[in-house]
Amino acid sequence: SQKIEQNSEALNIQEGKTATLTCNYTNYSPAYLQWYRQDPGRGPVFLLLIRENEKEKRKERLKVTFDTTLKQSLFHITASQPADSATYLCALEEGGSQGNLIFGKGTKLSVKP
Amino acid sequence: DVKVTQSSRYLVKRTGEKVFLECVQDMDHENMFWYRQDPGLGLRLIYFSYDVKMKEKGDIPEGYSVSREKKERFSLILESASTNQTSMYLCASSFPGQGGTEAFFGQGTRLTVV
Repeated sequence: SQKIEQNSEALNIQEGKTATLTCNYTNYSPAYLQWYRQDPGRGPVFLLLIRENEKEKRKERLKVTFDTTLKQSLFHITASQPADSATYLCALEEGGSQGNLIFGKGTKLSVKP
Repeated sequence: DVKVTQSSRYLVKRTGEKVFLECVQDMDHENMFWYRQDPGLGLRLIYFSYDVKMKEKGDIPEGYSVSREKKERFSLILESASTNQTSMYLCASSFPGQGGTEAFFGQGTRLTVV
């Protein structure tokens, strides 16, 4: 069966450390993988997109990797801050799907001062 | 600044009522989506639309219908609301470009059916 799993429901880290979130998928062939941030009571907000032929993408303190052999994406936040506390969602988009995204359940990140 | 606007942030309806959730986007996007989000279940796709008057069922369409008469507006209809439809409803839109499609979400409607 098809699955997309974000390994941790919750992740607690200390301010200044690097947060690493994992997204694994089974029986999908994504052309793109996206990461979103969601604050309580709000809609998700797009952060980064990585294509199947890209290994790594960076944006400021954020870094995403995509390994189609392992069927895994890692999302890193370096020098984390309490303001980074939120739920982070990964989403797959298969080629030819016309933008139909399949979301993981999310990881709730808490950054303690 | 791009915007997806949902008509209500909070809504309380009675069992059996017909409920309309409205979503409007100002980005001229072809794609529009309705999701519901529940604790432990994540975002689940109810319906989506690739163009005006077109609709496709998502993963959980039962008990819902949609309408897209204009490009900018996508309505979700609960034909006869039930308590198990109490949830956070999220609308999204995107442009089906060649390089992956970032989705823009509304602020969500928290619907309670009593």
